[in-house]
Amino acid sequence: AQSVTQLDSQVPVFEEAPVELRCNYSSSVSVYLFWYVQYPNQGLQLLLKYLSGSTLVESINGFEAEFNKSQTSFHLRKPSVHISDTAEYFCAVRLSGYSTLTFGKGTMLLVSP
Amino acid sequence: NAGVTQTPKFRVLKTGQSMTLLCAQDMNHEYMYWYRQDPGMGLRLIHYSVGEGTTAKGEVPDGYNVSRLKKQNFLLGLESAAPSQTSVYFCASSVDGQYEQYFGPGTRLTVT
Repeated sequence: AQSVTQLDSQVPVFEEAPVELRCNYSSSVSVYLFWYVQYPNQGLQLLLKYLSGSTLVESINGFEAEFNKSQTSFHLRKPSVHISDTAEYFCAVRLSGYSTLTFGKGTMLLVSP
Repeated sequence: NAGVTQTPKFRVLKTGQSMTLLCAQDMNHEYMYWYRQDPGMGLRLIHYSVGEGTTAKGEVPDGYNVSRLKKQNFLLGLESAAPSQTSVYFCASSVDGQYEQYFGPGTRLTVT
């Protein structure tokens, strides 16, 4: 069974600072990777995804993530965060041939002025 | 286009009571999922469906039942609620299980 590890449960940063949220997975087969964001009292929204092709994927609001097969990682980065980025971020993995996602436990990003 | 909707938004139950949570999607998606979210646990899959009339167990199915009688609806039932089922429940749908899942706003359930 695959597992997803988000190493940090909480990441506090100051506004305009860079941030990296880490995600590692355990699987020996092909995977598809997702980052979801959850704002307070809301459902999850897709932030970005890696299905195939370029290992660097970007979102419309400045986040990016890089699929690193050798390190089994899919870390999320943003060069300059805003207060509005305060939310919980979930990494998720789907194994090739399966239709279900396995989620990490989430990382709470806290952006302060 | 409402996407994925969930009914009710909040509910308080007493131990032993039963209830049904309704999920509806208007995107003609084949796949639908029920998750529960608990602090520090992320999302855990309860049951899912790969099409009308089908259901399958996820990671934490015990104490729950589901039905998918219509393609657009996925019902989650608790026959005899327990305090351990206090959680936020999310429904999601996907076109064909390969791509991203679209989530509803959630149902906050408290069992006393």
